[in-house]
Amino acid sequence: DIVMTQTPSSQAVSAGEKVTMSCKSSQSLLYNENKKNYLAWYQQKPGQSPKLLIYWASTRESGVPDRFIGSGSGTDFTLTISSVQAEDLAVYYCQHYYNFPRTFGGGTKLELK
Amino acid sequence: EVQLVESGGGLVQPGRSLKLSCAASGFTFSNYGMAWVRQTPTKGLEWVASISTGGGDTYSRDSVKGRFTISRDNAKNTQYLQMDSLRSEDTATYYCATYITGKAFDYWGQGVMVTVSS
Repeated sequence: DIVMTQTPSSQAVSAGEKVTMSCKSSQSLLYNENKKNYLAWYQQKPGQSPKLLIYWASTRESGVPDRFIGSGSGTDFTLTISSVQAEDLAVYYCQHYYNFPRTFGGGTKLELK
Repeated sequence: EVQLVESGGGLVQPGRSLKLSCAASGFTFSNYGMAWVRQTPTKGLEWVASISTGGGDTYSRDSVKGRFTISRDNAKNTQYLQMDSLRSEDTATYYCATYITGKAFDYWGQGVMVTVSS
């Protein structure tokens, strides 16, 4: 199984700050045939279900603000929030869909400083 | 508007069965793969099972193989998770999710709680 490791597990932030969080996979998520990375990012707010933010490592889902930026390739990925807003306080998860079983990282919780 | 509504959760004793349903609306159900993902405070998010658009291909995590069965009825826009021989470690919130084949989970239901306890 592919192991997804997210760091940090939590991060205290202030509104307007730039935030970065990391996701590393135990094997490459880059599919050579189409040059796509099979990596997604989700946001989960308290009491809600996860919401897809980013897929193919860097493609924003429709309606997701452009302050959310996904980057990386192979085994190392980053989610950046260019200027954190109060409504961004949530837990962020990465997940691979390269093969089965699909696996998720442990999450990065964004908290208010 | 896409809606996924799970039902069928509850409290069940170890070794017993439960069947979850996920009623879908707002999109062409037969064009989407469907999945179940569960969540606990200790283990986080865990993919449980997926089923292809036509139902011919199913996949499940090792810990539920032989106990859980995913299925779908495209005429009723509904997917199911039959859970047999339930264990305490199956206690979780179970989410229904959609995906286009080979892609991420783009829509999620609100979740249904399953508690396995004597």
